[in-house]
Amino acid sequence: EIVLTQSPTTMAASPGEKVTLTCRASSSVSYMHWYQQRSGASPKLWIYETSKLASGVPNRFSGSGSGTSYSLTINSMETEDAATYYCQQGSSYPWTFGGGTKLELK
Amino acid sequence: EVQLQESGPGLVKPSQSLSLTCSVTGYSITSNYWGWIRKFPGNKMEWMGYISYSGSTSYNPSLKSRISITRDTSKNQFFLQLNSVTTEDTATYYCARYMYTTDYFDYWGQGVMVTVSS
Repeated sequence: EIVLTQSPTTMAASPGEKVTLTCRASSSVSYMHWYQQRSGASPKLWIYETSKLASGVPNRFSGSGSGTSYSLTINSMETEDAATYYCQQGSSYPWTFGGGTKLELK
Repeated sequence: EVQLQESGPGLVKPSQSLSLTCSVTGYSITSNYWGWIRKFPGNKMEWMGYISYSGSTSYNPSLKSRISITRDTSKNQFFLQLNSVTTEDTATYYCARYMYTTDYFDYWGQGVMVTVSS
């Protein structure tokens, strides 16, 4: 089973700040998918196939990476971006999720 | 728009079976794939399994002996049954539409919290 390790576990960012969240896989994967989960809500697909933004996701978000290292970047932090972000791989059965990065507003 | 909603008991006794229903509107479950994911206290998430448009299934090996996913196409619903539950099965359970092409979940239900306790 591929283990996904997200870092940092928790972080705080000020409005306007650039934010980068990282997801590292224990073995190489072809794609990485990302979900946003706000407090009290269900997860939402946020970025799929490493770099494609899901419908309605603001273009201040971007995704990149390959092999065992992937990242989600927010160009300019906004209040509504405070949430927990999870990465997920579908390259190797069984599909697995990272432990999440909780992003707070400073 | 695709909408999913989970339903089922919020409390299950240890050693009993957990049974949940996912009701889908806006899309037929005879198209695409449909899955179950759970989130444990402490945030760990686990993919449990899926059922395909044809009714075939795939399960996480960690659950393979205890899990069953079935469906009722006439009601556009699919179901999760997890047998012999323990307190470690306490989690929020989500159903979701699963995109088979590159294996991600694009629509999620609101989730149902299930506690296993005597």
